[in-house]
Amino acid sequence: AQSVAQPEDQVNVAEGNPLTVKCTYSVSGNPYLFWYVQYPNRGLQFLLKYITGDNLVKGSYGFEAEFNKSQTSFHLKKPSALVSDSALYFCAVRELYKLSFGAGTTVTVRA
Amino acid sequence: SAVISQKPSRDICQRGTSLTIQCQVDSQVTMMFWYRQQPGQSLTLIATANQGSEATYESGFVIDKFPISRPNLTFSTLTVSNMSPEDSSIYLCSVERGSAGELFFGEGSRLTVL
Repeated sequence: AQSVAQPEDQVNVAEGNPLTVKCTYSVSGNPYLFWYVQYPNRGLQFLLKYITGDNLVKGSYGFEAEFNKSQTSFHLKKPSALVSDSALYFCAVRELYKLSFGAGTTVTVRA
Repeated sequence: SAVISQKPSRDICQRGTSLTIQCQVDSQVTMMFWYRQQPGQSLTLIATANQGSEATYESGFVIDKFPISRPNLTFSTLTVSNMSPEDSSIYLCSVERGSAGELFFGEGSRLTVL
């Protein structure tokens, strides 16, 4: 079974609107959770991580993510999306020595 | 973060041939990871490469098909052997940094097998 799930293949928003990319996880114990972004023809870039502590984690490029233990979720958010945020986003969870990635969500921000 | 250089960035290969991808890191690291990203898919871990020992392969990946070298703490190679069109993918090298073991990735090597 997948350790992380991204229920939406695609998310479309207008520039300036809030952006949310959903992720749920299913690992035991305290999860280490991550978000990555992949721009076209590029490798993955690390956005942010959750280890412990505050449930709201801030990361690069104005992104943040909220850890919710009761809902086993780690949704990525940005208050005001930019056209340049259009990319492929991956949620990941650490399992022992490796990261397991979700299927990815394609975000399109229209001008 | 880490600076990770991969070569080649892309290549077009003929069926039945082999290609070696190089990964160079700007500082010494214990573990290097090789991932595959098939078209429109997520990332799948192929193997973990430790310096001085044989690579550890994930289920579904074997050394004969994906031999890996790790001659020192800043360099690794992945060979894709006897390629078929199904091997057309992006192959990504990554290293672990940070308090939670977050990974940093190279730009990837995009292989197309005809």
